[in-house]
Amino acid sequence: DQQVKQNSPSLSVQEGRISILNCDYTNSMFDYFLWYKKYPAEGPTFLISISSIKDKNEDGRFTVFLNKSAKHLSLHIVPSQPGDSAVYFCAAATFTGANSKLTFGKGITLSVRP
Amino acid sequence: KAGVTQTPRYLIKTRGQQVTLSCSPISGHRSVSWYQQTPGQGLQFLFEYFSETQRNKGNFPGRFSGRQFSNSRSEMNVSTLELGDSALYLCASSSLYGYGYTFGSGTRLTVV
Repeated sequence: DQQVKQNSPSLSVQEGRISILNCDYTNSMFDYFLWYKKYPAEGPTFLISISSIKDKNEDGRFTVFLNKSAKHLSLHIVPSQPGDSAVYFCAAATFTGANSKLTFGKGITLSVRP
Repeated sequence: KAGVTQTPRYLIKTRGQQVTLSCSPISGHRSVSWYQQTPGQGLQFLFEYFSETQRNKGNFPGRFSGRQFSNSRSEMNVSTLELGDSALYLCASSSLYGYGYTFGSGTRLTVV
């Protein structure tokens, strides 16, 4: 049962344009969401996160939006750069009690064309 | 500040053998989690250790086990290896209660 879904396996955008990466979740107990970026042969690198008490968090070119009623979040990258080409993972967690594991989506491969 | 260190980086094993992977967390981090990444399955949670105690476990068979030492270093062991165990195994450490995960570069295990 995939609790975190990234339904589009890949996305290709032109350099300078906006990249929008989507993520859906099914578990309403999730209260913290993260985006990770991964290059081949490297571990995932933390990008940005958002708590369920917020609907937007911004960090430079990266903005994450959370729509709790739709159980949907998205990562916006503006403007997109060729160095952003990587696999992006959406992750969710419930930080209550002893449960601190991250549940990841399957990832989306972003290609930014020069 | 040194990052999360995983050794070895690459490993080739034969079916039926066992393997031990090592993870040294960032200094001061007491939580260590392990994940398996395979094509098409994304990252799947194996287990998490905090202060030498397994705090959480994913849906993997008993062939997968782990432990954490008093210095927070962690090892995971896979016994009776199967071809399907070929994957990138990632370790992540955290200082706070589940926040701020930092991943290592992983160990690429190939079972032949």
